[in-house]
Amino acid sequence: QSVLAQPPSASGTPGQRVTISCSGITSNIGSHTLTWYQQLPGTTPKLLIYSANQRPSGVPDRFSGSLSGTSASLAISGLQSEDEADYYCAAWNDRLNARVFGGGTTLTVL
Amino acid sequence: QVQVEQSGAEVEKPGASVKLSCKAFGDTFTDHWIHWVRQAPAQGLEWVGMINPSLGSTTFSQRVPGRVALTRDPSTSTVYLHLYSLRSEDTAMYYCVYSKNSDNSGAPDYWGPGTLVTVSS
Repeated sequence: QSVLAQPPSASGTPGQRVTISCSGITSNIGSHTLTWYQQLPGTTPKLLIYSANQRPSGVPDRFSGSLSGTSASLAISGLQSEDEADYYCAAWNDRLNARVFGGGTTLTVL
Repeated sequence: QVQVEQSGAEVEKPGASVKLSCKAFGDTFTDHWIHWVRQAPAQGLEWVGMINPSLGSTTFSQRVPGRVALTRDPSTSTVYLHLYSLRSEDTAMYYCVYSKNSDNSGAPDYWGPGTLVTVSS
């Protein structure tokens, strides 16, 4: 059972904006440690967002991260077919003294 | 830019041990952490533990059995993940992740290509 909860699936049509949620951001979870990864089938996870809303160089600005209360969100605007992948949130849990991952969300581009 | 290299795939029988290696190259920080994350077939990501290669200090997930150890060789800047008394449920891709901080905050992290460990009789 993941400490961070993500919906198992999400979908959208090309050009649409979709959001993926990651809930369970408690006081034990450092929001500044929140990270989002994209994993295409059969590949290594790719960093999309770190420190909740920072994009590494090379990641398109179509991808953005935000926090609101006890939930984080990854937004993808201008959805493209190549965005079809699994998306994971992760953060450091001070109480567990461990890094925790969400269960992952499979994004389908219809 | 940081690049992370990992050792090749391993196939082992139940009860055996295996040692996986990881080395970071490029624009690395003197003080950094190496995290290990595993992914069983068709499953999600699971944090295994981390090591500070400079200090040798380690932290492990409570969900990971005591059959795991992390070591490092400062002379070659290589870290090792040791898995003992292998079981079928240890079959997974093991990723090495370079991070500036222990909690992965404040900077991008860099992932190795992964090492596939298959445990089968």
